[in-house]
Amino acid sequence: EAQVTQNPRYLITVTGKKLTVTCSQNMNHEYMSWYRQDPGLGLRQIYYSMNVEVTDKGDVPEGYKVSRKEKRNFPLILESPSPNQTSLYFCASSLWGPEVETQYFGPGTRLLVL
Amino acid sequence: KNEVEQSPQNLTAQEGEFITINCSYSVGISALHWLQQHPGGGIVSLFMLSSGKKKHGRLIATINIQEKHSSLHITASHPRDSAVYICAVMDSNYQLIWGAGTKLIIKP
Repeated sequence: EAQVTQNPRYLITVTGKKLTVTCSQNMNHEYMSWYRQDPGLGLRQIYYSMNVEVTDKGDVPEGYKVSRKEKRNFPLILESPSPNQTSLYFCASSLWGPEVETQYFGPGTRLLVL
Repeated sequence: KNEVEQSPQNLTAQEGEFITINCSYSVGISALHWLQQHPGGGIVSLFMLSSGKKKHGRLIATINIQEKHSSLHITASHPRDSAVYICAVMDSNYQLIWGAGTKLIIKP
């Protein structure tokens, strides 16, 4: 089954404790992206990747890191989480990019930073 | 002023009604997306449009590039259509700009 998986689905952590949210797709997609969704602000792009070893900042990259060492995986890293990073995070992928086709979304990761 | 405006913000209708959700944008675009977010939070892409009209089952999406406007229609609406519907446009800098969403509730 074609899908985008994220882990964990729910996470409670404390300020400053490094964490990684994994994202994996099994569709051999080139393009992958991370979004955060906050009430009243809608979806905002954090980082995206057009291919292996190619990553670019989105609208709200501060406080986040990503890597794309393999085509299928695109982990989101919070080196020193802060309470303002409490949010709902979505990973998405598509074969080329949202300018030419729709994206597949992961189920979301709810993060609470205390 | 937001670059992508959706209307209405909230819509409650009876089962079977014809639903229209609107999206207006103020920037030049290369594509427009409609997505559905279920009450549980999951997001599904419905359509990507660059011109004309697309249909999938009971869902129809249209776009008028000259008027910078798109509509999402749902025919014979059903309670399972209850969700937040989000419009997003790809601007000339290849950035996705997201609308705030329209919350749709279909009552049985």
